[in-house]
Amino acid sequence: NAGVTQTPKFQVLKTGQSMTLQCAQDMNHNSMYWYRQDPGMGLRLIYYSASEGTTDKGEVPNGYNVSRLNKREFSLRLESAAPSQTSVYFCASSEGGVYTEAFFGQGTRLTVV
Amino acid sequence: AQSVTQLGSHVSVSEGALVLLRCNYSSSVPPYLFWYVQYPNQGLQLLLKYTTGATLVKGINGFEAEFKKSETSFHLTKPSAHMSDAAEYFCAVSDRTDKLIFGTGTRLQVFP
Repeated sequence: NAGVTQTPKFQVLKTGQSMTLQCAQDMNHNSMYWYRQDPGMGLRLIYYSASEGTTDKGEVPNGYNVSRLNKREFSLRLESAAPSQTSVYFCASSEGGVYTEAFFGQGTRLTVV
Repeated sequence: AQSVTQLGSHVSVSEGALVLLRCNYSSSVPPYLFWYVQYPNQGLQLLLKYTTGATLVKGINGFEAEFKKSETSFHLTKPSAHMSDAAEYFCAVSDRTDKLIFGTGTRLQVFP
């Protein structure tokens, strides 16, 4: 009954440090997504993956890289964190194709100091 | 390109009053439209969606939304607000690919 699991839930980084946000889903979904949520800006798509082995840029990809490790897992990497990347990050998954419901993780609250 | 505009970043109602959250969309193709709700410190969950067919869509927790093509709107309503409805609500549009475009959100406060 896990759905979409994100780790970690909270993280503080210093400017210039790197880290990887992990996401796994157990619903056998084809599509996975990374969003960031900032006050007054809603959710903005960073990257998405329509199937295992494929990734595509979203609205705000700069400063991020992703890996679709297998069908279950989709990670987001910050190579050199900047204060502008302070945000809440959400991973989501869906069956894909003609759009169906997206299921969201609980989020990762990242602060870059 | 697809987009949604949510009018009003904050809406306050009294318990028992009508809830009306506004969403207008822009889409070059017949849209799929969604409303999601986010409770504090949680992820988003689907309230309801419109794909094709009946333009009045019923969702969970007594919410409903009506797709009005002529007005390019998909407003969310609930006849009687409950304290537990306090949350942030997001309208979203899909262009029938794998991507969802979200609005900026409306925070609903419910006063006793």
